[in-house]
Amino acid sequence: DTGVSQDPRHKITKRGQNVTFRCDPISEHNRLYWYRQTLGQGPEFLTYFQNEAQLEKSRLLSDRFSAERPKGSFSTLEIQRTEQGDSAMYLCASSQGTGQETQYFGPGTRLLVL
Amino acid sequence: DAKTTQPNSMESNEEEPVHLPCNHSTISGTDYIHWYRQLPSQGPEYVIHGLTSNVNNRMASLAIAEDRKSSTLILHRATLRDAAVYYCILRDVAPGSARQLTFGSGTQLTVLP
Repeated sequence: DTGVSQDPRHKITKRGQNVTFRCDPISEHNRLYWYRQTLGQGPEFLTYFQNEAQLEKSRLLSDRFSAERPKGSFSTLEIQRTEQGDSAMYLCASSQGTGQETQYFGPGTRLLVL
Repeated sequence: DAKTTQPNSMESNEEEPVHLPCNHSTISGTDYIHWYRQLPSQGPEYVIHGLTSNVNNRMASLAIAEDRKSSTLILHRATLRDAAVYYCILRDVAPGSARQLTFGSGTQLTVLP
């Protein structure tokens, strides 16, 4: 257990539905990252926050995706109008934002869109 | 981002050393070499990192070539719990560089009993 938790761990939804995932980082970490991982591939960066500010977004993050970190603590990732191609593992990581910034990953949320 | 190349898969026998190679011929002077691993059904976890000198920690050792164009992650005695995908990642610490990790496909390590 790295101290980063994600909820839910698994989500099955129908195409066109909205889903929201939550990440609780290690409490003293000011940076929070979202990644997506499909089968057989390494994780791909989606977006990251420093405190409550969203500082960078990947081109992978289409208009249907939105992420928030309202008080600089937990974060949510919402996918609107899900598509089958959104099926993946969604990983959250946090770091202290200093030094080499070791990132601590949560267990991920596995999304299946039917 | 500078790119890394790793073998897709490797096998090792339990309790024997494992040497996982990584090539990074376009590494820049401000790139640190990081290794993460991902056990089945888990998120990635940090293993070790280095810049120029060899590094040791409780999990592994990192041997870095003198020209820094390659590195090797060494697990001194592989156990079945070391079976995972191992990722070699370059992180640029120059001002303005990206903060996120850029993962490749990694090396799938199988440990045989």
